[in-house]
Amino acid sequence: GAGVSQSPRYKVAKRGQDVALRCDPISGHVSLFWYQQALGQGPEFLTYFQNEAQLDKSGLPSDRFFAERPEGSVSTLKIQRTQQEDSAVYLCASSLDGVSYEQYFGPGTRLTVT
Amino acid sequence: DQQVKQNSPSLSVQEGRISILNCDYTNSMFDYFLWYKKYPAEGPTFLISISSIKDKNEDGRFTVFLNKSAKHLSLHIVPSQPGDSAVYFCAASDGGSNYKLTFGKGTLLTVNP
Repeated sequence: GAGVSQSPRYKVAKRGQDVALRCDPISGHVSLFWYQQALGQGPEFLTYFQNEAQLDKSGLPSDRFFAERPEGSVSTLKIQRTQQEDSAVYLCASSLDGVSYEQYFGPGTRLTVT
Repeated sequence: DQQVKQNSPSLSVQEGRISILNCDYTNSMFDYFLWYKKYPAEGPTFLISISSIKDKNEDGRFTVFLNKSAKHLSLHIVPSQPGDSAVYFCAASDGGSNYKLTFGKGTLLTVNP
C-alpha cells in the first residue's frame, strides 16, 4: 500500500500496562508526526521527527509517553503505565520533506484504557 | 486556549446546494491553512489548502477563502453530494521549525439526498 499504515488498529489496555503503537509512513517521507485525538476533539500534536531525529516533543503530555524512529522510517509511540485519560485515537502522519505543510495521515490506533 | 475554532459542530444541507464551513483562528503567526475530511474509523484526508499570501484557492467543487484581517477562513463545496458527508477539520500551521498542524474541533457535514 502507498499510504501511512498503523498497527494495531484497536488496543485495549488495563490501567498500568505499557503499550506500543506502530506507524509505517509513506516510503521516502522525511517528516513524521504523532497526534492524539480525544473524543469530540481535533487532533493535537504530540511529537515530530525529521528522519531519525526527534526535533520536537513539546506535545507529549507526560514522561510516560516516549516516541522513537531509530532508522528514519518506522516509528513507535510507547505509553508506559497507561491511565484512563490516555484513552484516545493516536494518529500518525508523514510529509515528504521538512518544508511541506501537507501531511498524510494513517487510520489511527484507538486506545482504550480500562 | 483554542487557537483554531470551528464554532458549528454540525451542518446539514440538501444535495446540489452549497455547503459553507467556517473556521476562525487567533494566532497571527499562522501562515498556511488546510482543510481535512474524515470518515469514521479512517484518518483525516487532505482536501485543500491556502497560503496566507492568497485569499482564494479552488480545486474542483471545493474553494477555500481566507480573510486575514478577520482571521477567518471558509470552505465552500458546490454542488454538495451525499458522499461529502463527513467531519471536516480546519488546520493551521506557522511553518517555523516543524510545520506541525493545529486543528479545530471539526464540523460534521451531512448532505441529504
